[in-house]
Amino acid sequence: EPEVTQTPSHQVTQMGQEVILRCVPISNHLYFYWYRQILGQKVEFLVSFYNNEISEKSEIFDDQFSVERPDGSNFTLKIRSTKLEDSAMYFCASSVKYTGELFFGEGSRLTVL
Amino acid sequence: GNSVTQMEGPVTLSEEAFLTINCTYTATGYPSLFWYVQYPGEGLQLLLKATKADDKGSNKGFEATYRKETTSFHLEKGSVQVSDSAVYFCALNSGYALNFGKGTSLLVTP
Repeated sequence: EPEVTQTPSHQVTQMGQEVILRCVPISNHLYFYWYRQILGQKVEFLVSFYNNEISEKSEIFDDQFSVERPDGSNFTLKIRSTKLEDSAMYFCASSVKYTGELFFGEGSRLTVL
Repeated sequence: GNSVTQMEGPVTLSEEAFLTINCTYTATGYPSLFWYVQYPGEGLQLLLKATKADDKGSNKGFEATYRKETTSFHLEKGSVQVSDSAVYFCALNSGYALNFGKGTSLLVTP
């Protein structure tokens, strides 16, 4: 069964460092998303991406964050200068069209020290 | 804005017990409503959905009915199994985003 894959599964970084989280969405999907979950809190929407541009972003997704689809298969989330409060589980998701039926990866846990 | 509130966990049940996890929503318009499940070590998976009032979503023995009059979408299962142990998330769509509740952890014991 096709699945969304994310790398790395866990990354530890120092505050102020740049981090890139990678995702390979399901191949025939057109919509891509990043969500995050800070430990003990709700899953929060960061950004959605369609047709090579951001279609919607939340207040969390400020200038420190960016997304890119560098080739036909990868979808990346970059955090330019990490802060302690960026420590969270980051989930990538994809969908064929926007109906709310998303397929999620297993997540990348980011720990900022 | 659109949001969901779901009951706090953890919920611990014996196998074959009846499950209810409450979810209420606040929304402008008529969003679609979803239940997602996260098994240990895995990503979130869609469990069921309902797109309009009075719709009932169902899957794997779980059910939820979209109740406009009570703004609710409670998840139910008549007889839980150990394999149902997971975290359950209620959600609604708002533009391109899904707004999730905090999640309810369910532990089913033999």
